[in-house]
Amino acid sequence: QSALTQPASVSGSPGQSITISCTGTSSDVGGYDYVSWYQQHPGKAPKLLIYDVYNRPSGASNRFSGSKSGNTASLTISGLQADDEADYYCSSYTSSVTLVFGGGTRLTVL
Amino acid sequence: EVLLVESGGGLVQPGGSLRLSCAASGFSFSDHRMSWVRQSPGKGLEWLACIKQYGEEKYYVDSVRGRFTISRDDGRNSLYLQMNSLRAEDTGVYYCARGFKPDYWGQGTVVTVSS
Repeated sequence: QSALTQPASVSGSPGQSITISCTGTSSDVGGYDYVSWYQQHPGKAPKLLIYDVYNRPSGASNRFSGSKSGNTASLTISGLQADDEADYYCSSYTSSVTLVFGGGTRLTVL
Repeated sequence: EVLLVESGGGLVQPGGSLRLSCAASGFSFSDHRMSWVRQSPGKGLEWLACIKQYGEEKYYVDSVRGRFTISRDDGRNSLYLQMNSLRAEDTGVYYCARGFKPDYWGQGTVVTVSS
C-alpha cells in the first residue's frame, strides 16, 4: 500500500493557474473513479475540494477542478489567490478495500 | 452543521494502549461509514481504518491491523479507535472523518507515544 506520488511543491503567482498531479497504479487511481482532493492549512483539518475525480462538494469553489488520465489524477487551481497557499493531498480507493493518500504537495503563492 | 469532535489523545508509553472517541452530530450517524486517519508530525495523511454502517464490516491498513480496532455506537453517535501495542511511529494527530472517502473531518486529537 504505497502512497500515491505527488510533487513535493508547486508555486504560482496570484491569478495564474497551477496543476498538481497524483500518480498511482491500476490498483488504485487507474482502476477506480474514486479520487478525492483535500486542502489543508497549517494546524487545520483537511477540507474536501474534489471527490470521485471531478465532482465538487457544495460550497467548494469552482476555481478547483479535477481530472484523471490512466493512473494519474490532477487537480487544477485557477485564478490563484493568497489563501490557496496550503498543502494539498489526493486520495484513492484501492483494490485492497483501503484508502491511500498521496504524500502531499505544498502550494506557494508567490 | 456536521460536527466531529475527537477526544482521548495523550501521552502513552511504547507498548501501551489508548482509546480514542469521536462524537458526531449534525447528520444521521448510523447512515454513514466512518474512518480514522492520522498525520504524523510533519508528514502526510495516512488512512487507518473504516467501519461500515451498523459495524458489520471493518477495514484496516496493514500497519495497524491486529493492533487497532475500530468500533461504533450508533445510539451514542460515536466512533471509537482502540489502540494497543502502541509504537513511537504511531505518534501523530488522529482525525475522525465521515465516509470511506472522507468528506467531513474533525479537528483531531494528538497521540504521543514516548517513554
